[in-house]
Amino acid sequence: QVQLQESGPGLVKPSQTLSLTCTVSGGSISSDSYYWSWIRQPAGKGLEWIGRIYPSGSTNYNPSLKSRVTISVDTSKNQFSLKLSSVTAADTAVYYCARFSAISSSGFDYWGQGTLVTVSS
Amino acid sequence: QSVLTQPPSVSGAPGQRVTISCTGSSSNIGAAYDVHWYQQLPGTAPKLLIYGNSDRPSGVPDRFSGSKSGASASLAITGLQAEDEADYYCQSYDTSLSGWVFGGGTKLAVL
Repeated sequence: QVQLQESGPGLVKPSQTLSLTCTVSGGSISSDSYYWSWIRQPAGKGLEWIGRIYPSGSTNYNPSLKSRVTISVDTSKNQFSLKLSSVTAADTAVYYCARFSAISSSGFDYWGQGTLVTVSS
Repeated sequence: QSVLTQPPSVSGAPGQRVTISCTGSSSNIGAAYDVHWYQQLPGTAPKLLIYGNSDRPSGVPDRFSGSKSGASASLAITGLQAEDEADYYCQSYDTSLSGWVFGGGTKLAVL
């Protein structure tokens, strides 16, 4: 059974960089069958796709966040990471990591439990 | 404003049928990209409910069904149960944004 687990600081100061890691277990992140994504959800609001990475390192980002986002992958640790720079209070949200098939249209089939990141001084 | 438009809320009595719409455009649903649906219970991560417009993952009751026509999609829930009370999101791919997009979400109340 594939499992995803987010980790990282729960509190980040304004203007600093938010850094999160997603650890994948029960499956290899190196498989070329999947994209690995970050998605966030501010309290009481909807889901926002942040970006995705392919095991090769190829990335795609939400245009609204592209200038501040970097997603990377560490296949040796079976992890992928998110960095969001110059954060403001508007970046306060629950951040999820999730898996999406690259070879069939099967949606985000596995999600992490989510981690709350608060941007505050 | 979300790229995919959903009604903010729907409601129904136990046993009834409800539908949730998801309206897109020619750059996403209308461009033949598949629609996926997720159920989010309070305080939990979203769960895949429908994929590829109308397929159900293993374990999802057949009370849930999805359809797509043109630039819109719908999620239908029959035999409404109290445990169906949740937020529901549609999701697709948008070619003009070169990325995935979600609907704004619909809160289902079981009266």
